[in-house]
Formats: sequence, C-alpha cells, structure tokens
Amino acid sequence: KAGVTQTPRYLIKTRGQQVTLSCSPISGHRSVSWYQQTPGQGLQFLFEYFSETQRNKGNFPGRFSGRQFSNSRSEMNVSTLELGDSALYLCASSSGGGADEQFFGPGTRLTVL
Amino acid sequence: GENVEQHPSTLSVQEGDSAVIKCTYSDSASNYFPWYKQELGKRPQLIIDIRSNVGEKKDQRIAVTLNKTAKHFSLHITETQPEDSAVYFCAAGGGADGLTFGKGTHLIIQP
Repeated sequence: KAGVTQTPRYLIKTRGQQVTLSCSPISGHRSVSWYQQTPGQGLQFLFEYFSETQRNKGNFPGRFSGRQFSNSRSEMNVSTLELGDSALYLCASSSGGGADEQFFGPGTRLTVL
Repeated sequence: GENVEQHPSTLSVQEGDSAVIKCTYSDSASNYFPWYKQELGKRPQLIIDIRSNVGEKKDQRIAVTLNKTAKHFSLHITETQPEDSAVYFCAAGGGADGLTFGKGTHLIIQP
C-alpha cells in the first residue's frame, strides 16, 4: 500500500503571496488532517476533512483554508503569507478520523521570506 | 476544546536506563491516546496507542499507562537504546474530534 504523499516537498515564497499544498492519502482512507509544525510548538492542528467536508478546525486565522476532493486528495491554501507561516506542514490520513491511527506524510517545508 | 500538556520538553538518560514521558489532557470525552515518534528529518510514526477502556498496554520495551480519573497518561521506555533518540509526541482525542498533540519531548540517549 502506498503511503501518504505530499507535494511539493519544499517551497519558498515571499510575504503577501499565497500557496497551495497538496496531500494524497493512503488508498481507502477518507480522513485527511493538516498540521503545522514549528520548533517548540509541536504539531498544531489546522483542520480535518472527511468525505469532502471539513469536520474539525483548529485555531488558525481564515487565511488558512482547505478542501478535499472526491478521491480524498486534499489541498490546503494559505493566502497573504506572513513570515510566521514558515513551518513544516504535515498531513495525515486515517480511515475514519479521530480515534483511528493517523499516517503522516513527509511534509512540505514552507519558507516565507 | 482539548488541551494536552506534555513533560518534560527534554529528557536525557543513560543508555540502558528507563525513560518516562508524561501527558495530561483536559477533555474527559477523549478516548484515544496515541504516542508518535519523530526522528530527525522524518515524519511522525505511531509507536503505541491506548484507548480509554484499557489502563495499560505493552509492546516489547514500550508501555503506555492511562489514568482516566486523573486525566493523565504516560509513555515508558525500558532498556533505552541509541535508536530511541527522537522527539516523542503524545496526543488525545477520539470520536469525531481531531487529535490534539502535546508539544513534544526530545529524548536523548547518552552512550
């Protein structure tokens, strides 16, 4: 079974730009969650999508948004980038969500200059 | 929402000794408590998890204990080895809610 994949792996943007990150879950998994990882802050939950619907949302500003397609692939978008958005963005897929094992992708390293 | 506190942030132990990492959570509705290990430059990977109907679970050198009354759970690693060096994250959640992660513990195994 192929694992979770994320594209691109690395991204450099400047302040004010927007960015779209992509996540392909494990085949058959319907839940995709997104996390922001920064040194000292651990894994901060952004949102979770299940069957194309946002099921949960963390405490991030509206500049952070996402969507999920019918094939369970998910994208997240960050608009009007700020320096503080520099982080590793991880997605994780699971079969059902909250109480199921989450399988993480390799992450997208976003640098905002 | 759920709040997870994890301690210590850094733990250094001698090879062969035991390591214990502790987490507390706030939401009594949480019923799933996984632990993830993240090696440098790699993705987090599940090492063990426990559900609220179980008090303890073991897998070789790794064990997790859960005290639902006190809302805390702990990871125990015995006979630590150099390959145990990594960042460990606890998490709490379950049902239709997402997982809330602790801020991580950097475990250092001293030779």
